[in-house]
Amino acid sequence: DAGVIQSPRHEVTEMGQEVTLRCKPISGHNSLFWYRQTMMRGLELLIYFNNNVPIDDSGMPEDRFSAKMPNASFSTLKIQPSEPRDSAVYFCASSSPGGTEAFFGQGTRLTVV
Amino acid sequence: SQQGEEDPQALSIQEGENATMNCSYKTSINNLQWYRQNSGRGLVHLILIRSNEREKHSGRLRVTLDTSKKSSSLLITASRAADTASYFCAMPRTGANSKLTFGKGITLSVRP
Repeated sequence: DAGVIQSPRHEVTEMGQEVTLRCKPISGHNSLFWYRQTMMRGLELLIYFNNNVPIDDSGMPEDRFSAKMPNASFSTLKIQPSEPRDSAVYFCASSSPGGTEAFFGQGTRLTVV
Repeated sequence: SQQGEEDPQALSIQEGENATMNCSYKTSINNLQWYRQNSGRGLVHLILIRSNEREKHSGRLRVTLDTSKKSSSLLITASRAADTASYFCAMPRTGANSKLTFGKGITLSVRP
Protein backbone atom coordinates (compact mmCIF):
# COMPACT_ATOMS: atom_id res chain seq x y z
CA ASP A 1 0.00 0.00 0.00
CA ALA A 2 1.28 3.48 -0.86
CA GLY A 3 0.16 4.91 2.44
CA VAL A 4 -1.76 8.14 2.89
CA ILE A 5 -1.15 10.39 -0.09
CA GLN A 6 -1.36 14.13 0.14
CA SER A 7 -1.07 16.72 -2.60
CA PRO A 8 0.44 19.08 -3.23
CA ARG A 9 3.56 18.69 -1.06
CA HIS A 10 4.20 22.40 -1.16
CA GLU A 11 1.88 25.30 -1.93
CA VAL A 12 2.70 28.97 -2.07
CA THR A 13 -0.20 31.29 -2.63
CA GLU A 14 -1.10 34.93 -2.26
CA MET A 15 -3.32 36.20 0.47
CA GLY A 16 -6.96 36.09 -0.55
CA GLN A 17 -6.59 33.15 -2.89
CA GLU A 18 -8.42 29.87 -2.49
CA VAL A 19 -6.32 26.87 -1.49
CA THR A 20 -7.35 23.24 -1.79
CA LEU A 21 -5.43 20.46 -0.14
CA ARG A 22 -6.07 16.87 -1.09
CA CYS A 23 -5.82 13.55 0.67
CA LYS A 24 -6.18 9.93 -0.35
CA PRO A 25 -6.44 7.69 2.73
CA ILE A 26 -5.25 4.12 2.90
CA SER A 27 -7.70 1.78 1.19
CA GLY A 28 -10.05 0.16 3.72
CA HIS A 29 -9.55 2.84 6.38
CA ASN A 30 -12.77 4.45 7.53
CA SER A 31 -11.49 7.27 9.73
CA LEU A 32 -9.77 10.35 8.34
CA PHE A 33 -8.19 13.23 10.23
CA TRP A 34 -6.94 16.65 9.11
CA TYR A 35 -4.28 18.29 11.29
CA ARG A 36 -2.42 21.58 11.14
CA GLN A 37 1.09 21.91 12.59
CA THR A 38 2.85 25.13 13.50
CA MET A 39 5.71 25.92 15.85
CA MET A 40 3.48 28.04 18.03
CA ARG A 41 0.44 25.79 18.36
CA GLY A 42 1.85 22.34 17.72
CA LEU A 43 -0.30 19.71 16.04
CA GLU A 44 -3.96 20.74 16.02
CA LEU A 45 -6.80 18.46 14.97
CA LEU A 46 -9.00 20.38 12.56
CA ILE A 47 -11.66 17.84 11.60
CA TYR A 48 -12.33 14.13 11.87
CA PHE A 49 -14.42 12.00 9.49
CA ASN A 50 -15.77 8.52 10.14
CA ASN A 51 -17.27 6.60 7.20
CA ASN A 52 -17.12 9.80 5.14
CA VAL A 53 -19.22 11.73 7.66
CA PRO A 54 -17.74 14.67 9.60
CA ILE A 55 -17.92 13.68 13.25
CA ASP A 56 -16.08 16.53 14.90
CA ASP A 57 -15.12 19.81 13.26
CA SER A 58 -14.65 21.75 16.46
CA GLY A 59 -11.01 22.34 15.56
CA MET A 60 -11.74 24.15 12.32
CA PRO A 61 -10.49 27.65 13.06
CA GLU A 62 -13.14 29.65 11.24
CA ASP A 63 -15.59 29.70 8.37
CA ARG A 64 -12.81 30.21 5.87
CA PHE A 65 -11.94 26.55 6.38
CA SER A 66 -14.07 23.75 4.99
CA ALA A 67 -13.49 20.03 4.50
CA LYS A 68 -15.27 17.39 2.47
CA MET A 69 -15.08 13.67 2.03
CA PRO A 70 -17.20 12.78 -1.00
CA ASN A 71 -16.14 9.14 -0.90
CA ALA A 72 -14.01 6.73 1.06
CA SER A 73 -10.90 7.38 -1.01
CA PHE A 74 -10.73 11.16 -1.18
CA SER A 75 -10.92 14.21 1.05
CA THR A 76 -10.24 17.90 0.58
CA LEU A 77 -9.48 20.76 2.92
CA LYS A 78 -10.24 24.16 1.47
CA ILE A 79 -9.25 27.59 2.72
CA GLN A 80 -11.05 30.52 1.15
CA PRO A 81 -9.82 33.22 1.36
CA SER A 82 -6.37 32.31 2.60
CA GLU A 83 -4.45 34.51 5.03
CA PRO A 84 -0.75 34.61 6.01
CA ARG A 85 -1.59 33.15 9.44
CA ASP A 86 -2.81 30.00 7.68
CA SER A 87 0.79 29.20 6.79
CA ALA A 88 1.54 25.81 8.31
CA VAL A 89 2.06 22.17 7.49
CA TYR A 90 -1.25 20.37 7.00
CA PHE A 91 -1.38 16.64 7.62
CA CYS A 92 -3.97 14.09 6.71
CA ALA A 93 -4.13 10.77 8.58
CA SER A 94 -6.33 7.70 8.37
CA SER A 95 -7.07 4.69 10.52
CA SER A 96 -8.82 1.37 10.03
CA PRO A 97 -12.15 0.18 11.44
CA GLY A 98 -11.62 -0.73 15.06
CA GLY A 99 -7.98 0.21 14.77
CA THR A 100 -6.54 3.03 16.75
CA GLU A 101 -3.20 3.55 15.05
CA ALA A 102 -3.24 6.55 12.74
CA PHE A 103 -1.21 6.59 9.53
CA PHE A 104 -0.03 10.00 8.43
CA GLY A 105 0.66 11.44 5.02
CA GLN A 106 3.80 13.44 4.28
CA GLY A 107 1.98 16.71 4.73
CA THR A 108 1.40 19.82 2.64
CA ARG A 109 3.53 22.82 3.50
CA LEU A 110 1.36 25.89 2.86
CA THR A 111 2.82 29.36 2.64
CA VAL A 112 0.48 32.29 2.23
CA VAL A 113 2.25 35.52 1.28
CA SER B 1 -10.64 17.36 24.81
CA GLN B 2 -8.20 14.70 25.88
CA GLN B 3 -4.67 15.78 25.10
CA GLY B 4 -1.41 14.58 26.49
CA GLU B 5 1.26 16.80 27.89
CA GLU B 6 4.77 15.64 27.14
CA ASP B 7 7.76 16.28 29.33
CA PRO B 8 10.48 17.45 28.92
CA GLN B 9 9.98 19.75 25.95
CA ALA B 10 13.49 19.03 24.73
CA LEU B 11 16.08 16.41 25.51
CA SER B 12 19.67 16.14 24.35
CA ILE B 13 21.71 13.01 25.01
CA GLN B 14 24.82 11.22 23.79
CA GLU B 15 24.56 8.27 21.46
CA GLY B 16 24.35 5.08 23.46
CA GLU B 17 22.55 6.67 26.40
CA ASN B 18 18.94 5.98 27.27
CA ALA B 19 16.23 8.56 26.65
CA THR B 20 13.18 8.80 28.88
CA MET B 21 10.17 10.85 27.87
CA ASN B 22 6.98 11.34 29.84
CA CYS B 23 3.36 11.99 29.06
CA SER B 24 0.60 13.02 31.45
CA TYR B 25 -3.12 13.21 30.77
CA LYS B 26 -6.28 14.21 32.59
CA THR B 27 -9.18 11.82 31.94
CA SER B 28 -9.53 8.05 31.72
CA ILE B 29 -8.28 6.35 28.57
CA ASN B 30 -8.68 3.14 26.61
CA ASN B 31 -5.18 3.27 25.25
CA LEU B 32 -2.20 5.57 24.86
CA GLN B 33 -0.04 5.80 21.76
CA TRP B 34 3.42 7.15 21.06
CA TYR B 35 4.44 8.59 17.71
CA ARG B 36 7.69 9.84 16.21
CA GLN B 37 8.11 12.67 13.72
CA ASN B 38 11.32 13.13 11.79
CA SER B 39 12.04 16.59 10.51
CA GLY B 40 9.84 17.46 7.54
CA ARG B 41 7.88 14.21 7.67
CA GLY B 42 4.56 12.95 8.94
CA LEU B 43 4.09 11.22 12.27
CA VAL B 44 4.82 7.52 12.51
CA HIS B 45 3.16 5.26 15.05
CA LEU B 46 5.63 3.62 17.42
CA ILE B 47 3.71 1.73 20.05
CA LEU B 48 0.29 1.45 21.68
CA ILE B 49 -0.37 0.47 25.28
CA ARG B 50 -3.87 -0.38 26.50
CA SER B 51 -5.29 0.82 29.77
CA ASN B 52 -5.10 -2.66 31.27
CA GLU B 53 -1.41 -3.00 30.43
CA ARG B 54 1.41 -1.65 32.58
CA GLU B 55 4.39 -2.18 30.34
CA LYS B 56 5.10 -2.96 26.73
CA HIS B 57 8.26 -3.50 24.71
CA SER B 58 9.09 -3.13 21.05
CA GLY B 59 12.72 -3.48 20.09
CA ARG B 60 14.62 -0.72 21.89
CA LEU B 61 11.38 0.92 23.01
CA ARG B 62 9.79 0.39 26.39
CA VAL B 63 6.52 2.03 27.32
CA THR B 64 4.96 2.09 30.77
CA LEU B 65 1.50 3.22 31.79
CA ASP B 66 0.35 4.20 35.25
CA THR B 67 -3.36 4.85 35.12
CA SER B 68 -3.49 5.82 38.80
CA LYS B 69 -1.08 8.67 38.09
CA LYS B 70 -2.44 9.25 34.60
CA SER B 71 1.01 9.12 33.12
CA SER B 72 3.09 7.17 30.65
CA SER B 73 6.75 7.03 29.85
CA LEU B 74 8.65 6.10 26.71
CA LEU B 75 12.16 4.76 27.15
CA ILE B 76 14.51 4.44 24.20
CA THR B 77 17.50 2.33 25.14
CA ALA B 78 20.95 2.55 23.57
CA SER B 79 19.97 5.62 21.57
CA ARG B 80 21.28 6.28 18.09
CA ALA B 81 21.70 9.47 16.10
CA ALA B 82 18.82 8.24 13.92
CA ASP B 83 16.51 8.48 16.94
CA THR B 84 16.75 12.26 16.69
CA ALA B 85 13.15 13.34 16.15
CA SER B 86 10.10 14.73 17.91
CA TYR B 87 8.02 12.34 19.98
CA PHE B 88 4.33 12.68 20.76
CA CYS B 89 1.83 10.88 22.90
CA ALA B 90 -1.83 10.62 21.94
CA MET B 91 -4.98 9.19 23.44
CA PRO B 92 -8.07 8.55 21.33
CA ARG B 93 -11.31 9.60 22.90
CA THR B 94 -13.75 6.86 23.75
CA GLY B 95 -17.17 6.42 22.27
CA ALA B 96 -18.49 7.52 18.91
CA ASN B 97 -16.06 10.41 18.64
CA SER B 98 -12.71 8.67 18.75
CA LYS B 99 -10.68 11.60 17.58
CA LEU B 100 -6.96 11.52 18.19
CA THR B 101 -5.29 14.63 19.59
CA PHE B 102 -1.62 15.26 20.26
CA GLY B 103 0.44 17.33 22.64
CA LYS B 104 3.27 19.65 21.64
CA GLY B 105 5.79 16.85 21.61
CA ILE B 106 9.33 16.30 22.86
CA THR B 107 12.32 17.19 20.72
CA LEU B 108 15.00 14.55 21.17
CA SER B 109 18.52 15.18 19.94
CA VAL B 110 20.99 12.33 20.02
CA ARG B 111 24.58 13.50 19.60
CA PRO B 112 26.90 11.14 17.74
